[in-house]
Amino acid sequence: AQTVTQSQPEMSVQEAETVTLSCTYDTSESDYYLFWYKQPPSRQMILVIRQEAYKQQNATENRFSVNFQKAAKSFSLKISDSQLGDAAMYFCALVGSQGNLIFGKGTKLSVKP
Amino acid sequence: GAGVSQSPSNKVTEKGKDVELRCDPISGHTALYWYRQSLGQGLEFLIYFQGNSAPDKSGLPSDRFSAERTGGSVSTLTIQRTQQEDSAVYLCASSLQSGQANYGYTFGSGTRLTVV
Repeated sequence: AQTVTQSQPEMSVQEAETVTLSCTYDTSESDYYLFWYKQPPSRQMILVIRQEAYKQQNATENRFSVNFQKAAKSFSLKISDSQLGDAAMYFCALVGSQGNLIFGKGTKLSVKP
Repeated sequence: GAGVSQSPSNKVTEKGKDVELRCDPISGHTALYWYRQSLGQGLEFLIYFQGNSAPDKSGLPSDRFSAERTGGSVSTLTIQRTQQEDSAVYLCASSLQSGQANYGYTFGSGTRLTVV
C-alpha cells in the first residue's frame, strides 16, 4: 500500500527564520511524483513544489526547497525567510496507482511576527 | 473555466436528507477527483473519473455515496440519508489526464457540508 506520513501535527517559526516540515512515504513504484501543497483558511489547495523521483536534484521554488532522500523515502520541505503569509496547513502527497493524490495528515504552520 | 468551481460553498442539511455537491472542472481536463477532508484530518480519496467513467468506486465510504459525471465535464457527488459523520469539506480536483501526474492537479475551494 502507498502511504504518506507527516509526523509533525504543528510547527511554529519566527518571521524571517527557516523551518523544515517532515514527510516520509512508502511506495513500491520506482518512478513517481511527490508534492507539497499549502492550504490556507480559504480551503484552496495551492501547489508549493513538485519532485519527480527519478530526478536526483532537489526541487526549488523561490523560498521553498525540498530535501528528497529516495532511499530513505523522505521528502522534507524547507521554507526560508518565513513570511506571515506562509501560515497554513501543509500537506505532503504522493501520486497513487489511480493517478490520485495520497495525502499525509498535514502540518499546521504558524508564523510569529 | 479558469479554475475548478465547486458549489455550494457551504451546505447545512438535516440528518437523513439527501445532498448533491457539484464540481465544474477546468475546461479540457479529462480527469476529475473527489476528496473528503474531515476536521483536522488529511484528504481522503473518494473516487476519480477519467472522462465519464469511474473505474474504481471502492473509495466511497458507504453505499449512501454516489458520483456521476456527464459530458466529460461537470460531476455531482450525492450523499443520501446524510449522517452527522458525513460532515466534512468535500474537495474536487481536476487534471489534464489521469495517471499523468506531470500535468499537475488543480483544486476547487471545496464544499463545507454540515449535517445537523
